[in-house]
Amino acid sequence: DTAVSQTPKYLVTQMGNDKSIKCEQNLGHDTMYWYKQDSKKFLKIMFSYNNKELIINETVPNRFSPKSPDKAHLNLHINSLELGDSAVYFCASSQGTGSTSGRAHEQYFGPGTRLTVT
Amino acid sequence: AQSVTQPDIHITVSEGASLELRCNYSYGATPYLFWYVQSPGQGLQLLLKYFSGDTLVQGIKGFEAEFKRSQSSFNLRKPSVHWSDAAEYFCAVGNAGNMLTFGGGTRLMVKP
Repeated sequence: DTAVSQTPKYLVTQMGNDKSIKCEQNLGHDTMYWYKQDSKKFLKIMFSYNNKELIINETVPNRFSPKSPDKAHLNLHINSLELGDSAVYFCASSQGTGSTSGRAHEQYFGPGTRLTVT
Repeated sequence: AQSVTQPDIHITVSEGASLELRCNYSYGATPYLFWYVQSPGQGLQLLLKYFSGDTLVQGIKGFEAEFKRSQSSFNLRKPSVHWSDAAEYFCAVGNAGNMLTFGGGTRLMVKP
């Protein structure tokens, strides 16, 4: 009955490789997010999708490409991995959109994927 | 632009002692405020939230937080800390576009 799940939990790969992280939520939410947490625990939004459409795209290298096959899934594909991509990546979801709704900001997080690039 | 500051990077308290974690935010409108907890190797769990109304909000695990508009603060409190509360705590503010802006986190350590 996991609400937001991510696979894999750990990912170790070499520079230059291409890798994907998958995220699924069974909460019925229509908005999903990717966050990056660096080694100092700082959390930063990367992308947000609502009903399979991109609504937030922060300053992220275009080597990162999110893909949402349906509103329950948001995958993150990373090309040409670099050492600086090493981090923990979190998927999250929330219900609804619009800044007038507090509930639209109430986000539920997955367990994270620790990516190590060597 | 919105921002969240958690002034204390680390806090150590004795088990059974009271706890207060500070959070200050900068946001032009009425904020939506959240506290999350991250245990080692885990994801973020929502502790409590403030949308409107009563400025003292109750959350899970015995935590509460008080919204003080005049001080732009949303401090987290617990009257008696348990060893299992040792974790990283994040304050966040919700803003336009459904984004959450997080503070830098406060690591809580609990002494036996």
